[in-house]
Amino acid sequence: KAGVTQTPRYLIKTRGQQVTLSCSPISGHRSVSWYQQTPGQGLQFLFEYFSETQRNKGNFPGRFSGRQFSNSRSEMNVSTLELGDSALYLCASSLAGTSGGAYNEQFFGPGTRLTVL
Amino acid sequence: GENVEQHPSTLSVQEGDSAVIKCTYSDSASNYFPWYKQELGKRPQLIIDIRSNVGEKKDQRIAVTLNKTAKHFSLHITETQPEDSAVYFCAARGYQKVTFGTGTKLQVIP
Repeated sequence: KAGVTQTPRYLIKTRGQQVTLSCSPISGHRSVSWYQQTPGQGLQFLFEYFSETQRNKGNFPGRFSGRQFSNSRSEMNVSTLELGDSALYLCASSLAGTSGGAYNEQFFGPGTRLTVL
Repeated sequence: GENVEQHPSTLSVQEGDSAVIKCTYSDSASNYFPWYKQELGKRPQLIIDIRSNVGEKKDQRIAVTLNKTAKHFSLHITETQPEDSAVYFCAARGYQKVTFGTGTKLQVIP
């Protein structure tokens, strides 16, 4: 089975621009979660999508948004980029998600390294 | 919301020694505690996990213990090897989401 894939792997943008990142989960996985990873901050939860619906959301401003398509692929969008948005953005897929009573392992993608100049 | 604290932030051990990483969580409803290993430039990978109805779990040189009363859990690596060098993240899964610790950079000195 192919693993989680993310595109693009690297992005360089300037302040004020917007960016869209893509994540393709493992086949059969219906949940996709997004995380921001920065040095010293660990992995900060952005949001989780399950069956095209946002199920949970972290403490990020409204500039960060996402969506999920019927094939479970997910996109994350950041508008009006700020210098502080420079980070590694990781997505993770699981069979049934991370909330409720499911103990589904999350499989991470390789990440998209976003640099905002 | 859930808060997960992880200590130490860096840890250096001699090859063959043991390493222990500790995490505490705040949400008593958390019921699943995975540990991830992230090598430099690579994605995090699950190395072991434990559910709230279990106190200890072992997989070869890796073990995790959970104390629900004290709300802390620990990762134990015995007979460390240079390939164990990486950043380790603990996490706690409550009802709403998975919260990660800030990571421990483990260096195993040959």
